[in-house]
Amino acid sequence: TQLLEQSPQFLSIQEGENLTVYCNSSSVFSSLQWYRQEPGEGPVLLVTVVTGGEVKKLKRLTFQFGDARKDSSLHITAAQPGDTGLYLCAGPLINFGNEKLTFGTGTRLTIIP
Amino acid sequence: ETGVTQTPRHLVMGMTNKKSLKCEQHLGHNAMYWYKQSAKKPLELMFVYSLEERVENNSVPSRFSPECPNSSHLFLHLHTLQPEDSALYLCASSPRQGEGYTFGSGTRLTVV
Repeated sequence: TQLLEQSPQFLSIQEGENLTVYCNSSSVFSSLQWYRQEPGEGPVLLVTVVTGGEVKKLKRLTFQFGDARKDSSLHITAAQPGDTGLYLCAGPLINFGNEKLTFGTGTRLTIIP
Repeated sequence: ETGVTQTPRHLVMGMTNKKSLKCEQHLGHNAMYWYKQSAKKPLELMFVYSLEERVENNSVPSRFSPECPNSSHLFLHLHTLQPEDSALYLCASSPRQGEGYTFGSGTRLTVV
C-alpha cells in the first residue's frame, strides 16, 4: 500500500495551459514537501508546506496544503516547457523514533511547445 | 563544491564485480540517505545515517553495503549484484532526519 498517492500519473499538455496535480493520503502529515526531478538529475526541493490550509506561491507554481493535512495540490499557471519533469510529494514519517521522508508515486509532466 | 556530489554518474558492472558509489556533501547536514529509483516505482529508501551512525536499513539485501566514514561522505559498496538491481541510485542529505532533502544527481547503474 502506497502511503502517498499522486494523480495523475502522467500529464501532457500544451504550453500556456494551466494544470493541477494532486498528492493524497489517508494519513495526517506534519508537513509535505514538493520536489521536481528532471531527466538524469536528482529531485530538487521546491517547497515545504507546514500549516493546514497553507498556500505558497513560487512564481507560476501554487502549492496548497489541505486543511486536514492529508493532501496537497500543485497548480501551474501558463505552463512552460521548462516545467517538464517528474513532480514528487513527500512527507515525514516517524518509525521507531527515527523520522524519514516517504515519497509519493510521482506525476510525470510533459509540456509540449 | 556545494550541494551533494555523486560519483560516478554512470556505472556498468558485471554480476561478479565489486564496485563502490560515492556521495559527498559540504552542506553541514547531519543526515545522509541512499535511495533507489527504478522505472515506474516510487523512490525506495535503502539506508539512513544520522550523525555517522546507521539508523535504518530498509530490508536491503546484503549485496549492498553502506559506509559512512564521516559526516561529509557516504559510500555504497556493491558486490555480486543482479540485473534487477539496475536503477538510479540517489544520495541525499538533510540538516536533520525528515527535513528537506538535497539530492545528488545520482549514479545510473546497469548490471549485466
